[in-house]
Amino acid sequence: GENVEQHPSTLSVQEGDSAVIKCTYSDSASNYFPWYKQELGKRPQLIIDIRSNVGEKKDQRIAVTLNKTAKHFSLHITETQPEDSAVYFCAATIRSNDYKLSFGAGTTVTVRA
Amino acid sequence: DAEITQSPRHKITETGRQVTLACHQTWNHNNMFWYRQDLGHGLRLIHYSYGVHDTNKGEVSDGYSVSRSNTEDLPLTLESAASSQTSVYFCASSERVSGRKETQYFGPGTRLLVL
Repeated sequence: GENVEQHPSTLSVQEGDSAVIKCTYSDSASNYFPWYKQELGKRPQLIIDIRSNVGEKKDQRIAVTLNKTAKHFSLHITETQPEDSAVYFCAATIRSNDYKLSFGAGTTVTVRA
Repeated sequence: DAEITQSPRHKITETGRQVTLACHQTWNHNNMFWYRQDLGHGLRLIHYSYGVHDTNKGEVSDGYSVSRSNTEDLPLTLESAASSQTSVYFCASSERVSGRKETQYFGPGTRLLVL
């Protein structure tokens, strides 16, 4: 099955700075890459996703980039705020013709005031 | 509003007991998934279903079963609970649109403690 590796496992940033989380995947046929944010005690919620026919996608302060050749994708958060503190998960489809997702182990982001 | 719910939200049980966790969605989604979340492992897929009477094993399916008798519900059963099954369980659902991946929406989770 798909193996998704996520780095770093923890990330501490000063408020206003940028945060970057990187994920790699193993199946070159994967074609959908969502990112979820999970606040303490809450459910994971989708914050942004990208499909394999697009190299970059932005939504206000967050952006995702995809490098299909290298099989990695990254989440970028600019101008971080205290409410960005959470656990972030990347995911990838296990096969191109399937709906299952394989998740990374998560990154705990702490934004220091 | 359409939503996805799980019950109970918290459960304490003893080893060897059978436990069933409920998941109900009102979006009329074809796809439903069960995950467990443990520290350091992210979300791991237990079982999933792509429609009524369809069930499939995920990567950590041993000791768990599911059934899909209607579109709205996918109950997860622990046949004989073990301490290793202490975890937070999330149900998720998504639409099935041919050739296109759609967002998975998660329920609020069930925290299970097996003593």
